[in-house]
Amino acid sequence: GENVEQHPSTLSVQEGDSAVIKCTYSDSASNYFPWYKQELGKRPQLIIDIRSNVGEKKDQRIAVTLNKTAKHFSLHITETQPEDSAVYFCAASGDNYGQNFVFGPGTRLSVLP
Amino acid sequence: SQTIHQWPATLVQPVGSPLSLECTVEGTSNPNLYWYRQAAGRGLQLLFYSVGIGQISSEVPQNLSASRPQDRQFILSSKKLLLSDSGFYLCAWSPNRWGGYTFGSGTRLTVV
Repeated sequence: GENVEQHPSTLSVQEGDSAVIKCTYSDSASNYFPWYKQELGKRPQLIIDIRSNVGEKKDQRIAVTLNKTAKHFSLHITETQPEDSAVYFCAASGDNYGQNFVFGPGTRLSVLP
Repeated sequence: SQTIHQWPATLVQPVGSPLSLECTVEGTSNPNLYWYRQAAGRGLQLLFYSVGIGQISSEVPQNLSASRPQDRQFILSSKKLLLSDSGFYLCAWSPNRWGGYTFGSGTRLTVV
């Protein structure tokens, strides 16, 4: 089955700097890769996603890149702000297992003022 | 628009007591439904998923069970809670084909 690894597990950046979180997946048939942000005590919320027919997608300060050959995808946050502090989860999904997501273990991002 | 409701928000239960958490979805039909558990400071563990009424798949052996008595209703149950059942339980739904998950607001369960 699919296995998703995520690095780093914790990340601290200064406000205004960029943050990058990387995920790798094992199943080459995976074709949908969402990212979720979970603030303390709250539900995970979808912030951006990418499908396998696209190499990069951007939404304001957030971007996701996908390298299907290497089977890895990354979340990029530019000009970080304190409200970006949260746990971020990547996930992979594909037809081989219906619409079930396999989540990475999460990255705790702290943006320091 | 679609909305997902999950209740209760918090629950404190003694060991050995029963459990029933409910999740309902509005504004869509035949959704895929999911129950996840998140231990403190940990990742998301898939417990059950359902692609239709009465169709339940279990990912992890445990003393929990799930049922889907109606198209947009998903229930997580236990006959006897264990201390290790404590955690943050999240219900989620997704379209039958494609689309990201939308999570419910979660239930924080503490077994004492």
